[in-house]
Parts: sequence; structure tokens; C-alpha cells
Amino acid sequence: QQQVKQSPQSLIVQKGGISIINCAYENTAFDYFPWYQQFPGKGPALLIAIRPDVSEKKEGRFTISFNKSAKQFSLHIMDSQPGDSATYFCAATVSGAGSYQLTFGKGTKLSVIP
Amino acid sequence: ETGVTQTPRHLVMGMTNKKSLKCEQHLGHNAMYWYKQSAKKPLELMFVYSLEERVENNSVPSRFSPECPNSSHLFLHLHTLQPEDSALYLCASSLGTSGFDEQFFGPGTRLTVL
Repeated sequence: QQQVKQSPQSLIVQKGGISIINCAYENTAFDYFPWYQQFPGKGPALLIAIRPDVSEKKEGRFTISFNKSAKQFSLHIMDSQPGDSATYFCAATVSGAGSYQLTFGKGTKLSVIP
Repeated sequence: ETGVTQTPRHLVMGMTNKKSLKCEQHLGHNAMYWYKQSAKKPLELMFVYSLEERVENNSVPSRFSPECPNSSHLFLHLHTLQPEDSALYLCASSLGTSGFDEQFFGPGTRLTVL
């Protein structure tokens, strides 16, 4: 089954707190894991991505943690800000040529309250 | 702005109407996509075009008909839709069709079928 399971469905975090979104996959052929951020009225936009040869990738306040043996990966947002309020989608794909199909999670709506 | 524009942004149509959604990308990309985004469901890939040739049709009902006249423009022709087709329709483009190629999304067309 080419599914990516994402949790939680919604998340409320205080400003300055840590937001954590988790995803799990089943297809061991997946070798590229992007996260997309979507603001209301906008399309999704690539936020950060990771390959399974590393266990962690950090870009500013955003960090992906990857556990290959558990087939799980997560997004951590440090020092969460109200401007981070958006819906976040994890995705997975096979990176080869012609492998354009992204398998998305259902999304997590994050609300950061002041 | 992502360089991908979609018109109209909102569309209300009856089940017997015929309408078209338009997407244009200004990024010089070679691949274009149509996605359907419904509440609490993963993004569903509908169609993929690479160099104006359709390379994917994910079992989409024939009431949805795509057209890609050139690498910058993509249309989705709609006819005799059902209420369950109401959703946000997203267009995306990417330079190539590998899993590593970032997909740039437009803002979407919010479709309501009465």
C-alpha cells in the first residue's frame, strides 16, 4: 500500500513552543521525503526535504528527523511563531527519473497562538 | 508568487455545465500536473504532462479532460460533474519528472458543483 500516515490532524502550540508532526510510510522503495507548507488561499510550497541516508536535516527553525528502520519521519518546528500557522503535508516518493508521483499525508493544521 | 497562476480562483457550476480551468507557468518547466485537494484527504494526483505529452492518468473519471497545448499552459475541461467533485484543484509544475524535482503549486481553483 503506497500510503503515508500523518499525525496529528491538528495541532495548537503556544508561541515559542515546539511543534512536532509525525509521518509513517510502508513502501521501502521511497527514498525522498519532502514536507510542504500550505497557507490559506495558497498552494502547497516545499519547506524542507530529506533523503534516508541521513537521520536529521535542519534548516533554520525547521528540522526533519528520519528513522529508516521504523519507517518514520517527523517535522520539528522550534520556537514556533504565529506566522508558522499553516497546514503541513509530509510526502514520500521514489527519486528516479520519471518517478514524479508524490504520495502525500492527509495534512496537519498547525495553529500557533500568541 | 510561485510562478504558477490559475484561473479562475473560484468557480460554481451546475451538474450540466461545461467549464474549463486554466493553469499557466512562467518558470520554463517541462512537466505540469493537476491535483485534487479535498478536506481531510491526501492530495490526489490526477494528471501529469511531460513535454506536452500525458504520462499519467490516475483513473480519473472521463468527466475530467486535460489539455496541454504547450509546456506553459495546462487546462482541465469539466463537464457533467457531480457534487462530490467539489474541491480545490491545484496545478503544479516542475523542471523534470524525477522525484527530486520540486513541484511548484499554483493557488488553486475552488470548485463548487451544485
